[in-house]
Formats: sequence, structure tokens, C-alpha cells
Amino acid sequence: QSVLTQPPSASGTPGQRVTISCSGSSSNIGGNSVSWYQQLPGTAPQLLIYGNNQRPSGVPDRFSGSKSGTSASLAISGLQSEDEADYYCGAWDDSLNGHWVFGGGTKLTVL
Amino acid sequence: QVQLQESGPGLVKPSETLSLTCAVSDYSITSGYYWGWIRQPPGKGLEWIGTIDHSGSAYSNPSLKSRVTMSVDTSKNQFSLKMRFVTAADTAVYYCARQWHDYVNYWGQGTLVTVSS
Repeated sequence: QSVLTQPPSASGTPGQRVTISCSGSSSNIGGNSVSWYQQLPGTAPQLLIYGNNQRPSGVPDRFSGSKSGTSASLAISGLQSEDEADYYCGAWDDSLNGHWVFGGGTKLTVL
Repeated sequence: QVQLQESGPGLVKPSETLSLTCAVSDYSITSGYYWGWIRQPPGKGLEWIGTIDHSGSAYSNPSLKSRVTMSVDTSKNQFSLKMRFVTAADTAVYYCARQWHDYVNYWGQGTLVTVSS
């Protein structure tokens, strides 16, 4: 059971906007920044969002992140077939002398 | 463009020690950032194992801490992971990564380690 809670699946049609949620607690999301990762089939994860809502260079602005309290969300607008992947949220957790935690991952299907 | 490459045995026997090394290219590990290990069991999600800085200060997942040792070799620009007393539950793709306080910005391609006799 992951410390951060994500829905196991999400779906949308091309062009749609989809959101993926990530729920945590005051020791992780509530007090620290959230990052998001995209994992295409058979590849290593890649950083998609850091600092709750910052995009690394090269990441399309179709991807956006937000945080409120102990929850965070990843939004993908103008959904494309190549967005079909697993998405993970991550954050530092201040409990137990500090450690990194990830969400369980959300598999996004483009219908 | 920072590159990370994991290396080590792909098969480890139960109760033995898993040893992996991550070679870093196009970036000196003494220039900043932190260096971490993350694993992913087949068909499952990501699990943080631990992180170390260039001076050797390390912190690790509380659930794995008693079995994990990390080290840095600045002369070879690489860092390493040892995990003792492995079981089948430790079978996973192991990634090395470059981290900052609140994100992982570079990942190795990953290496599958299978624990089996």
C-alpha cells in the first residue's frame, strides 16, 4: 500500500482533458513539493512536473500540476495517443526521519 | 545531458547480497544534487530505496534500512548499492537516479534483478 494514493486507472479520448489525483497527508504533500513522472511502456520514468507546478524544459505545456492542502493533481489537456502511460506522483515525507514516497501509479488509457 | 547506467548481476540467490553500481556520465557527482536508487517490482509501482550525496551522507527507506548500504566513489564518478539477505520480494527493476530535494530529474535505464535459486 503506497503512502500517496492515486486512482489505479484513468482514461480519455483524444483532445480531452484528464486529471489524475494524488492524495497524501500533512507529513508529505501537505508540507513538501510534489513531483510527477510519466512512464511509457518498457521505459524508465521521466520527470514531468516538479515543485508542484513547474515543467522541465521539453515538457509540453499540455501538462500541468497543482496542489491544495494534502492533495495534488496532474492535468493533461489536448490528450494525445502518445500520452498513454503510467503516471506517478512523488514527495518527500517528513515522518520516520524523512523518506521519499511515491503514489501507486495511474495507468492512463487513450481510448 | 546527464547519463546514468546501472550494472551488476541480473540473478541473485535468496539470502545473498545484491550489488549494483551506477556510472554517471557528463556530470560530476561532486558538483551537487543527490544520487538515489529506486526499484519497481514487475507490474508494480515505484519504491524509493535510498539516496546518498557525494560526501557519503545517506538516508534510506525505513522498511529497507537494515539491509541497505550505499557508497560513493568520486574517483570513478559512480555510486553503489548493496542489499543484504534478499528474497524473491526483492525481484525488481532497479533504477539509479539523480535527485534534488523534491524531485528526480534523471533516471538510468534500469536493470532487472531476479532473486532465485
